[in-house]
Amino acid sequence: DARVTQTPRHKVTEMGQEVTMRCQPILGHNTVFWYRQTMMQGLELLAYFRNRAPLDDSGMPKDRFSAEMPDATLATLKIQPSEPRDSAVYFCASGLVKTGTGAYGYTFGSGTRLTVV
Amino acid sequence: TQLLEQSPQFLSIQEGENLTVYCNSSSVFSSLQWYRQEPGEGPVLLVTVVTGGEVKKLKRLTFQFGDARKDSSLHITAAQPGDTGLYLCAGGGYGQNFVFGPGTRLSVLP
Repeated sequence: DARVTQTPRHKVTEMGQEVTMRCQPILGHNTVFWYRQTMMQGLELLAYFRNRAPLDDSGMPKDRFSAEMPDATLATLKIQPSEPRDSAVYFCASGLVKTGTGAYGYTFGSGTRLTVV
Repeated sequence: TQLLEQSPQFLSIQEGENLTVYCNSSSVFSSLQWYRQEPGEGPVLLVTVVTGGEVKKLKRLTFQFGDARKDSSLHITAAQPGDTGLYLCAGGGYGQNFVFGPGTRLSVLP
């Protein structure tokens, strides 16, 4: 089965350090999402891309977070500088969205568990 | 802003019982999906519904999309311990952001 691959699975870093999370979406999928999950807030949409173009990043703190898709096989989420409140599980998901339709499904990666101390 | 609410927030039942969980919104969604998430993993897609009134069955799971496409339900017949997990509904479409509800955490006791 095709899968979304996220690296690293776990990351512990000190406050103020840069963190980069990577995602390899499923080949052929044109939409990539970044979500953050915490017990308090649930799944929060941070940003998403269609055909590598950013469509919405309104969920991200702009001063410290950035999301990019340098090519179709890689999406990155960077936090600089990291803060303890950024501790969460970060998920990447990809899917194929066709123009004019509402029927689609997304495949999630296993997530990156980030702890900022 | 589109919001999805789910109820109940927590549910603990005995193996063999039936249950229904709900997903509600004041917004109309072009499609709605149900996911199950187990500890340490990402959500896994169970079903997508797109037509008002649509009913889909997946073994012991029955999904229904409301006529107005604002709500959905998930019914599990004869629950098993393997059904334990966080059940998430999510809505969106081509021109809409994709949003998740807070989830229903189900525990099925043997």
